[in-house]
Amino acid sequence: NAGVMQNPRHLVRRRGQEARLRCSPMKGHSHVYWYRQLPEEGLKFMVYLQKENIIDESGMPKERFSAEFPKEGPSILRIQQVVRGDSAAYFCASSPPTNRGTGELFFGEGSRLTVL
Amino acid sequence: EDKVVQSPLSLVVHEGDTVTLNCSYEVTNFRSLLWYKQEKKAPTFLFMLTSSGIEKKSGRLSSILDKKELFSILNITATQTGDSAVYLCAVPNTNAGKSTFGDGTTLTVKP
Repeated sequence: NAGVMQNPRHLVRRRGQEARLRCSPMKGHSHVYWYRQLPEEGLKFMVYLQKENIIDESGMPKERFSAEFPKEGPSILRIQQVVRGDSAAYFCASSPPTNRGTGELFFGEGSRLTVL
Repeated sequence: EDKVVQSPLSLVVHEGDTVTLNCSYEVTNFRSLLWYKQEKKAPTFLFMLTSSGIEKKSGRLSSILDKKELFSILNITATQTGDSAVYLCAVPNTNAGKSTFGDGTTLTVKP
């Protein structure tokens, strides 16, 4: 049973370009979460999605950032017109519906975005 | 706003030492507290605590929750260099499925 798969693992972009990060949840998991981790900091919640629905995007910046989890295919976190401050590790996590109350998350290995 | 605070932020010990990591929280609608270990990549699950006073144990690691004083501790006995990692404490928000994480404790175990 494959774990949470994220790609790319590393992404380098110049200021103003777009970054697209992909996440395939574990088999049987229908809940996807995106977290951002800056150096020397903990994980900060960005967005929580179920298939075709954004449940909570309270942690996501209002501009330039968007996320989706289509009926088919991986979840995508999209950052438009990247700036240096977007450089971070972006972690995707998934959970099955039955874990929703206790909150255990299964994490991917992260996508490290570097903005030059 | 939910808040999770971990201490110390970093800790350096020698192999064989025992360490105690702390996590305090202020959240609405508490259901559980989770500990994760992060070694340069994906955080991996260690423990989930829901009840006060019941110790969870896995090998040399153990953890306990105090819901009255709103904190949890993670103990590691007879530390090994492989225990070097960032230990994260998290409290889920049951309404939205998201979790609030502390900033982590970076543990370095020297040989």
